[in-house]
Amino acid sequence: DAGVIQSPRHEVTEMGQEVTLRCKPISGHDYLFWYRQTMMRGLELLIYFNNNVPIDDSGMPEDRFSAKMPNASFSTLKIQPSEPRDSAVYFCASSLLGVSGELFFGEGSRLTVL
Amino acid sequence: KQEVTQIPAALSVPEGENLVLNCSFTDSAIYNLQWFRQDPGKGLTSLLLIQSSQREQTSGRLNASLDKSSGRSTLYIAASQPGDSATYLCAAWMDSSYKLIFGSGTRLLVRP
Repeated sequence: DAGVIQSPRHEVTEMGQEVTLRCKPISGHDYLFWYRQTMMRGLELLIYFNNNVPIDDSGMPEDRFSAKMPNASFSTLKIQPSEPRDSAVYFCASSLLGVSGELFFGEGSRLTVL
Repeated sequence: KQEVTQIPAALSVPEGENLVLNCSFTDSAIYNLQWFRQDPGKGLTSLLLIQSSQREQTSGRLNASLDKSSGRSTLYIAASQPGDSATYLCAAWMDSSYKLIFGSGTRLLVRP
């Protein structure tokens, strides 16, 4: 399996622009997670899905952030409008068994908002 | 607030040394604990997963232990190599919040 695939790997945008990050989980994994990593706050869970349904979005920082999972093989994280403080590495991860299983991470999308 | 703490934040050792990385968590009600490795600019790679009913897991030169009663886990690396240099993170899946909470990591440097 190719693992969790994220795109783009790097994104540089200007404040106020819309940003869309994409993720393809490992085939057959029912759980999908979006994390954000910064030097100051470490890894933070933003939202996770089970069978394409959002289960916990309490980590989504503001209404500017939204996530969707239209099917089992694709998820997006959107920021609109983006702000400089959104600059971070955004990771997508998937798991077969959810709470009792291993988490597999993608390579991340490094976002810089100028 | 549920927290996962890793000590030390950074560690530098000569090649060949055995070493221990520490992870502590505030809530003893956890489903499992997972250790990850992260190389610069890369994603996280799962190393070991310990279920709450287990005491330890081993993979090659790595051994992870779990003591729920004391809220601690350790990752033991035997005969360290320069290729082991990376940041090591532990994460505990908390029973009460149903979330995987990460520690801030230990940055390991193994000197040739």
